[in-house]
Amino acid sequence: NAGVTQTPKFQVLKTGQSMTLQCAQDMNHEYMSWYRQDPGMGLRLIHYSVGAGITDQGEVPNGYNVSRSTTEDFPLRLLSAAPSQTSVYFCASSYRVGAEAFFGQGTRLTVV
Amino acid sequence: GESVGLHLPTLSVQEGDNSIINCAYSNSASDYFIWYKQESGKGPQFIIDIRSNMDKRQGQRVTVLLNKTVKHLSLQIAATQPGDSAVYFCAEWPLDDYKLSFGAGTTVTVRA
Repeated sequence: NAGVTQTPKFQVLKTGQSMTLQCAQDMNHEYMSWYRQDPGMGLRLIHYSVGAGITDQGEVPNGYNVSRSTTEDFPLRLLSAAPSQTSVYFCASSYRVGAEAFFGQGTRLTVV
Repeated sequence: GESVGLHLPTLSVQEGDNSIINCAYSNSASDYFIWYKQESGKGPQFIIDIRSNMDKRQGQRVTVLLNKTVKHLSLQIAATQPGDSAVYFCAEWPLDDYKLSFGAGTTVTVRA
């Protein structure tokens, strides 16, 4: 049981490049979410999904897209990276809304 | 032990003393509260949770207290150990919302 797996662990992008951060969970959780964490700040919600085919915006969605074609996977796409998107990104999953959220180990992204 | 009043970003504790970390939450509709521990370079790890129909819950060396009147949550760590050095976050999940929201975090440093 791997839990929540994020890839890659580290990434450097040039401004304007695109990329996808991968997140997979093997716990059959319905709820998945993406957060970003900036120095000295808590985690801010980017997008979330309450089940396959259903996604919605969180607190800071601009510049990011998501999709949820399967229960297991919830990729986060940056279409045109900007230096302001330099951050550590965490994916989380819960078996339902209002239950313990399990986090991945994070992806440290630098945009130059 | 060292008592913290309102939320402070840092807490220095002597090894063996008790720690108290405070958190003020914002949404009176929040039904579920979680404390997370985040070590350097890792994702948040679940410590303990509490539902709004409770005012106290105990785990192994940790106790969470909930005061709904003043919207205040605290985490008590007994006999603090060097391995307890980390950033601690409280998180709230409102009944009427799909979003788990995090506080700013408290950095706990344990002195030998």
